[in-house]
Amino acid sequence: GNSVTQMEGPVTLSEEAFLTINCTYTATGYPSLFWYVQYPGEGLQLLLKATKADDKGSNKGFEATYRKETTSFHLEKGSVQVSDSAVYFCALNDYGGSQGNLIFGKGTKLSVKP
Amino acid sequence: DTGVSQDPRHKITKRGQNVTFRCDPISEHNRLYWYRQTLGQGPEFLTYFQNEAQLEKSRLLSDRFSAERPKGSFSTLEIQRTEQGDSAMYLCASSAAEGSSGNTIYFGEGSWLTVV
Repeated sequence: GNSVTQMEGPVTLSEEAFLTINCTYTATGYPSLFWYVQYPGEGLQLLLKATKADDKGSNKGFEATYRKETTSFHLEKGSVQVSDSAVYFCALNDYGGSQGNLIFGKGTKLSVKP
Repeated sequence: DTGVSQDPRHKITKRGQNVTFRCDPISEHNRLYWYRQTLGQGPEFLTYFQNEAQLEKSRLLSDRFSAERPKGSFSTLEIQRTEQGDSAMYLCASSAAEGSSGNTIYFGEGSWLTVV
């Protein structure tokens, strides 16, 4: 079945450091891929998405490229800020499958220290 | 702001009581989803509606759980005879047209349930 695997956290970085959070997926069709962010005590916010191979999603300095050959969608940011501290979820939506819903990874907690 | 709204945001209930959560989706969205999220885990799909029709239910949705969307607008999720294992955040989400590749699902802020 469809699944998403994320690198385990927590990830602790200093401000202005480079961030990579790895995400790989397994899907039967041609999924769309998403990164969601969850700040403490809040729901999920869409951070970025990509709908087909080689697409790059970007938002707020974060980027992720849909790599079909490696079934990956790694999240990157060149210079993190304290305000980026949150839990990041990778997710897929396989519209070719029987469900039109999102399948999430377990999340990666990021803490950025000043 | 016309995002997904959920009510109540927090609920503490005694074991065995019934609770109901309400979700108001983004107004032009015809798909509505319920997810459950426990501490340290990603959200897990419970069920979704297209308009008023409940099209799919997860195995996680036991007989004590029931969801409705009577007029194809707001939705309610009721949990009967709550158990401590039901303690979680219940997330509602909505999206536009069915089957569109890349269609985005937007989430509300969630309803926290604590069963004591």
